[in-house]
Amino acid sequence: DIVVTQSPDSLAVSLGERATINCKSSQSVLYSSNNKNYLAWYQQKPGQPPKLLIYWASTRESGVPDRFSGSGSGTDFTLTISSLQAEDVAVYYCQQYYITPYSFGQGTKLEIK
Amino acid sequence: QITLKESGPTLVKPTQTLTLTCTFSGFSLSTTGVGVGWIRQPPGKALEWLGLIYWDDDKRYSPSLKSRLTITKDTSKNQVVLTMTNVDPVDTATYYCALVGIAAPDLDAFDIWGHGTMVTVSS
Repeated sequence: DIVVTQSPDSLAVSLGERATINCKSSQSVLYSSNNKNYLAWYQQKPGQPPKLLIYWASTRESGVPDRFSGSGSGTDFTLTISSLQAEDVAVYYCQQYYITPYSFGQGTKLEIK
Repeated sequence: QITLKESGPTLVKPTQTLTLTCTFSGFSLSTTGVGVGWIRQPPGKALEWLGLIYWDDDKRYSPSLKSRLTITKDTSKNQVVLTMTNVDPVDTATYYCALVGIAAPDLDAFDIWGHGTMVTVSS
């Protein structure tokens, strides 16, 4: 099974500042035949289901603000929020969908400093 | 508009069998590439992927739970059913169903989720 590990577990950032969350998979999730990374990012606010933010490691879901961006390839990935807004307070998860079981990371709790 | 909704018991006794139903609308589970998955989240903890059923009845399960899980679909009723046998208090969680493959056949990220249903396992 692929193990997905996020860092840090929690993060406090000032409003308007950049927030960066890292995600590492125990094996590559890059499919060489199509050059796609099978990695997604979700945002979960209290009392709500997760919401898909980014797929293929860097493609924003429709309606997701462009302050959210994903990068990385192979085993190392990053979610960046360029200018933190109050509504971005949430827990963020990455997930690999390269091979089942499609494992999630343990989550990163993002708060306002 | 695509929606999914989970339903089932809120309280189950240890050793019993849990049956949850995901009723969906706005898509067909006979469309190539589409699948419905189950994910759970114990209170205050992380998401755990449980399994997926695809349009062609291909089923994938978490290896750690495979012996206890069964996922079936009823395309005519627009439902997917999760059955978990021999439940234990550690199975207490919010259970979500979610959709994959609607945007692209190989896009198995969960792009639309139900609101979840909380299940407590206790005697």
